[in-house]
Amino acid sequence: NAGVMQNPRHLVRRRGQEARLRCSPMKGHSHVYWYRQLPEEGLKFMVYLQKENIIDESGMPKERFSAEFPKEGPSILRIQQVVRGDSAAYFCASSLTRDRIIGGYTFGSGTRLTVV
Amino acid sequence: TQLLEQSPQFLSIQEGENLTVYCNSSSVFSSLQWYRQEPGEGPVLLVTVVTGGEVKKLKRLTFQFGDARKDSSLHITAAQPGDTGLYLCAGGDGGSNYKLTFGKGTLLTVNP
Repeated sequence: NAGVMQNPRHLVRRRGQEARLRCSPMKGHSHVYWYRQLPEEGLKFMVYLQKENIIDESGMPKERFSAEFPKEGPSILRIQQVVRGDSAAYFCASSLTRDRIIGGYTFGSGTRLTVV
Repeated sequence: TQLLEQSPQFLSIQEGENLTVYCNSSSVFSSLQWYRQEPGEGPVLLVTVVTGGEVKKLKRLTFQFGDARKDSSLHITAAQPGDTGLYLCAGGDGGSNYKLTFGKGTLLTVNP
């Protein structure tokens, strides 16, 4: 009964390259959420997806960032033309239902992105 | 914008001591959650409190939600080195039932 799986655990990219972060939700979960944890900051909501749909991307930067959750396969958070300010830990969480206010999140171990 | 302030930011204590960390806001939250995060890992949910004045206990950890649902505290009795970690509080965003606002956390170190 695997939990939320994220890979890679660590990712180093040079400025201007693309970063692709993957998240496989828990079995049976169709709701996926991405959060970003910048150094010295709390976790910030980025995007909420259901299978094949973006429900809320209000926390995602308008440029260079995109997310998808295809019918088959993991959810992908894609960052194009990375800059040093993108260096952070990116966490994915999944759930059976939409209501997380009571149930809380099950987070993956995160991907730590370093832009050099 | 709802904000959660956690204090203290850092706390270093000896094994066996008691401690309390705080989570405060000027906004009312529909619920409040506490997570613990170890280095290199994702946050793990400890508890959710929903009702103003609610107290929940989890072994040596006691969580309280303020009467006005604007603040919360976490008390640890007889801390152990295994309690070391970053303690995060997170409040339910009034405008959605899935978006949480997180505080920056209290980094607790329990020395043997």
